[in-house]
Amino acid sequence: EAGVAQSPRYKIIEKRQSVAFWCNPISGHATLYWYQQILGQGPKLLIQFQNNGVVDDSQLPKDRFSAERLKGVDSTLKIQPAKLEDSAVYLCASSPSGQLDEKLFFGSGTQLSVL
Amino acid sequence: AQSVSQHNHHVILSEAASLELGCNYSYGGTVNLFWYVQYPGQHLQLLLKYFSGDPLVKGIKGFEAEFIKSKFSFNLRKPSVQWSDTAEYFCAVNSGTYKYIFGTGTRLKVLA
Repeated sequence: EAGVAQSPRYKIIEKRQSVAFWCNPISGHATLYWYQQILGQGPKLLIQFQNNGVVDDSQLPKDRFSAERLKGVDSTLKIQPAKLEDSAVYLCASSPSGQLDEKLFFGSGTQLSVL
Repeated sequence: AQSVSQHNHHVILSEAASLELGCNYSYGGTVNLFWYVQYPGQHLQLLLKYFSGDPLVKGIKGFEAEFIKSKFSFNLRKPSVQWSDTAEYFCAVNSGTYKYIFGTGTRLKVLA
């Protein structure tokens, strides 16, 4: 089966610029997650969608980050304006239904460098 | 708030050595526990998980983990590591209240 697709693979921008990341989860997966992984740290959950509704965005810096999942399939994560501390790998993951014991299927991530 | 601790940040072993990676979590309620692995150049993937029943869980590639509720621990073990086990290993906890929290990871390097 096709995995979780993410693009772009790498992005370099200057601070105060905007950037967007795209994720296409595994077909049929209802739950979609965006994680931020800063170098030397574990993935930190930014937002979780169930179909096209937000389940948890408590750790999303809403003054600069936004995310949407139109039609309950693809999702985009946007940063505007970017700061130096946003340099990280942004991971998208999906799971079939969001049950607590489900494993997550991860994409390869987008590595963002903010200069 | 819930947290997950992985005390070993870097581990270097020779092939055939035994492996144990520590994982402790802070949440006192019912939890689901996971170990994920990221091989060089690949995406994160599940090694094994525990959600109920036998606290000794077996996963892929000869890995196993033991859930000890009284110690809030879920340590990962492998009796004999191979060069191909070189990777970064992440412990994760999902309690429902706190969604899928990951530890900081342990980088394992196995010398051939």
